[in-house]
Amino acid sequence: NAGVMQNPRHLVRRRGQEARLRCSPMKGHSHVYWYRQLPEEGLKFMVYLQKENIIDESGMPKERFSAEFPKEGPSILRIQQVVRGDSAAYFCASSPLSENRGGNTIYFGEGSWLTVV
Amino acid sequence: AQSVTQLDSHVSVSEGTPVLLRCNYSSSYSPSLFWYVQHPNKGLQLLLKYTSAATLVKGINGFEAEFKKSETSFHLTKPSAHMSDAAEYFCVVSLVGAGSYQLTFGKGTKLSVIP
Repeated sequence: NAGVMQNPRHLVRRRGQEARLRCSPMKGHSHVYWYRQLPEEGLKFMVYLQKENIIDESGMPKERFSAEFPKEGPSILRIQQVVRGDSAAYFCASSPLSENRGGNTIYFGEGSWLTVV
Repeated sequence: AQSVTQLDSHVSVSEGTPVLLRCNYSSSYSPSLFWYVQHPNKGLQLLLKYTSAATLVKGINGFEAEFKKSETSFHLTKPSAHMSDAAEYFCVVSLVGAGSYQLTFGKGTKLSVIP
């Protein structure tokens, strides 16, 4: 059973370009989460999605950031007109349920490191 | 609201000696608590989790943590450090039930193991 798959693992973008990060959840998981890790910081929640629905985007910056989880295909985190401050590691996670109860656990991918030059 | 404080940003131990990584939490409700480990340029691996069952939780690689409600602590310990334990460790808290998908991470503790 493959884990949470993220690509690309490393991405370099010039200021003003667009960055697209992809995430395929674990098999059988229908809940996807994106977290951002800034240098010297812990991870911060960005958005929670189910298929074709954004459930909670309270952690997303108001501008330039968007996320989707289409009926078919991976979840995508899109950052338009990137700036240097967007340089960070972006982690995707998935779970079979939305609630942390019993055996439910959120599993993380290996991350996508975005560098804006 | 919930928060996590990892009391040490960096801990250094000699190989074969005990490891103690300290974590205090704040939560309005009964929390779930986790420890994750991150090796350089790698993803996060779950070490162990507490979800209101036994207060002493055993995890992978010989790690364990004890939930102490009176002290609002969830410190991570290991009797004998191994070189492969060198990594960054994150203490994490979440609510139980609705909204529990929002994990709140501490800032991390970097563990160095000296040969």
